[in-house]
Amino acid sequence: LAKTTQPISMDSYEGQEVNITCSHNNIATNDYITWYQQFPSQGPRFIIQGYKTKVTNEVASLFIPADRKSSTLSLPRVSLSDTAVYYCLVGYGQNFVFGPGTRLSVLP
Amino acid sequence: EAGVAQSPRYKIIEKRQSVAFWCNPISGHATLYWYQQILGQGPKLLIQFQNNGVVDDSQLPKDRFSAERLKGVDSTLKIQPAKLEDSAVYLCASSFVAGTSTDTQYFGPGTRLTVL
Repeated sequence: LAKTTQPISMDSYEGQEVNITCSHNNIATNDYITWYQQFPSQGPRFIIQGYKTKVTNEVASLFIPADRKSSTLSLPRVSLSDTAVYYCLVGYGQNFVFGPGTRLSVLP
Repeated sequence: EAGVAQSPRYKIIEKRQSVAFWCNPISGHATLYWYQQILGQGPKLLIQFQNNGVVDDSQLPKDRFSAERLKGVDSTLKIQPAKLEDSAVYLCASSFVAGTSTDTQYFGPGTRLTVL
């Protein structure tokens, strides 16, 4: 049974690096992991996607170990505007499933 | 580039009434998704269209929910009759290609439904 888990919430301070982990034990061999950010009253917005090892773009990094049973979204030097809910989206063959979301609160 | 449009943004109905939501995806996007997002949870896929054909509707409660995507462009999701547990945000998303886990999905703002 496909199951994706994330921490419910995290707190951080401005300027710190934040790491959010998603566990996905049954990820399909050919499927990717994608992370989305959601602000209140808005739809989720794409942040980053990866298959294995490390991917970096202008806003985040994504670390995926060799067994691909988990992934870690890394947000460098967060600001107040990064306060949001972060979801991982994982493919399980014919299906893909959003995780339960991690509510990140960035404090001044 | 215009984003995914949804209407209405908010809807309040009483249980057993019917309701319909409309979505217009990004121009040229072949795949359209409807999600249900209950407060405090991640989005749950209800139905996925590729052009005007259904790819996956395994989680759509077909006794009360229906959806169509005529001409492969905009789409309508209907609930009839509504139950209290249908209170949620209904999100529409679209992607350019085949609707796999590798496709970036672009989401609309959602419709918040409250069933009283």
